Amino acid sequence: EAGVAQSPRYKIIEKRQSVAFWCNPISGHATLYWYQQILGQGPKLLIQFQNNGVVDDSQLPKDRFSAERLKGVDSTLKIQPAKLEDSAVYLCASREQGGTEAFFGQGTRLTVV
Amino acid sequence: GQSLEQPSEVTAVEGAIVQINCTYQTSGFYGLSWYQQHDGGAPTFLSYNALDGLEETGRFSSFLSRSDSYGYLLLQELQMKDSASYFCAVRDRNTGGFKTIFGAGTRLFVKA
Repeated sequence: EAGVAQSPRYKIIEKRQSVAFWCNPISGHATLYWYQQILGQGPKLLIQFQNNGVVDDSQLPKDRFSAERLKGVDSTLKIQPAKLEDSAVYLCASREQGGTEAFFGQGTRLTVV
Repeated sequence: GQSLEQPSEVTAVEGAIVQINCTYQTSGFYGLSWYQQHDGGAPTFLSYNALDGLEETGRFSSFLSRSDSYGYLLLQELQMKDSASYFCAVRDRNTGGFKTIFGAGTRLFVKA
């Protein structure tokens, strides 16, 4: 079974630039999460989708971050414009309906300079 | 809101037993998970407790007490490869559904 795929693995941008991350969850998984993990901290939930609907986006900085999950499969997370404090690993995870385990991708390491 | 507390670091020797505690506060508690993350890697699932008691999976066990809002992860026969960060995560039920909130993590150092 293929895992959660994310791209790119690494990205370096200047502050005020835009960036987008892509996630392909495990086939059939209805729930998709985007987490932000700053070095030395736990993953912080940014947004959670159930199929193509948003379940929770209470911690998503909506003035600069946006996410979509068209057709309830792939998802993209965008930051525009980026700030220095956005430097982190962005993790995508998926979970099957009724499942207890979230499967994580390898993440995208973003450095904003 | 939700909050989770776990120790920031634990050090133990190879072959020993270590316990990582987690206390939580949440309004819609549904279950407690544990994840392991090696440096530069993705979090990987270890265990999930929805009911009180102990769940055992090989060298790892996880315990939950819902009345005390407390759980722990027990690692036995420690190996060097167990050096990693361990996160407790609360599965919380809100009006929109379930969400999973992670603690700050406990960094485990296993010494020879």
